Amino acid sequence: AQSVTQLGSHVSVSEGALVLLRCNYSSSVPPYLFWYVQYPNQGLQLLLKYTTGATLVKGINGFEAEFKKSETSFHLTKPSAHMSDAAEYFCAAISFDSSYKLIFGSGTRLLVRP
Amino acid sequence: DADVTQTPRNRITKTGKRIMLECSQTKGHDRMYWYRQDPGLGLRLIYYSFDVKDINKGEISDGYSVSRQAQAKFSLSLESAIPNQTALYFCATSDPQGAKGYTFGSGTRLTVV
Repeated sequence: AQSVTQLGSHVSVSEGALVLLRCNYSSSVPPYLFWYVQYPNQGLQLLLKYTTGATLVKGINGFEAEFKKSETSFHLTKPSAHMSDAAEYFCAAISFDSSYKLIFGSGTRLLVRP
Repeated sequence: DADVTQTPRNRITKTGKRIMLECSQTKGHDRMYWYRQDPGLGLRLIYYSFDVKDINKGEISDGYSVSRQAQAKFSLSLESAIPNQTALYFCATSDPQGAKGYTFGSGTRLTVV
């Protein structure tokens, strides 16, 4: 069965530092891949997605992610963290069985230190 | 108006009570989903529906039931609530292959005491 793994339940960075949140998927066929963000007491907002085409995808708020088939990874990065980036981030993948269900990783909480 | 609306936003209920969470969407999609979020576990799929006549169990359907009243409406029921069903519940909708990403509601925070 397809699965999504996020390394690190908590990541702490200083304001202005690089943000790197890791995501790996397990699938025999490259899935559609997504990053969602959840701010405190809010729902999920789509940050970016990879379906086909360019493997480096850009999203909102300066985030980007690169699909690497050889590494089965889809890591999320941002060059310079802002205090407002503090939130929980979820990596997710669409399974290509008949259901096209969205499968989530367990989430990574990003803390930004002043 | 939001694309996906969930009611109520917050609910506290007692053990053993029946409770219904409601969801409506204006995206015009056939597919709708119910997920539950628990700390450290991400979001797990409870039920999903491809259309009004096609409802399927997700990975954690025990203790839950659903009803798809119309293309735009998909409700989740807890027949006899128990404390470990305390969680944040999300409804979502998508295009047929999900390539555009799922659209989520704002969530219902349910507490069972």
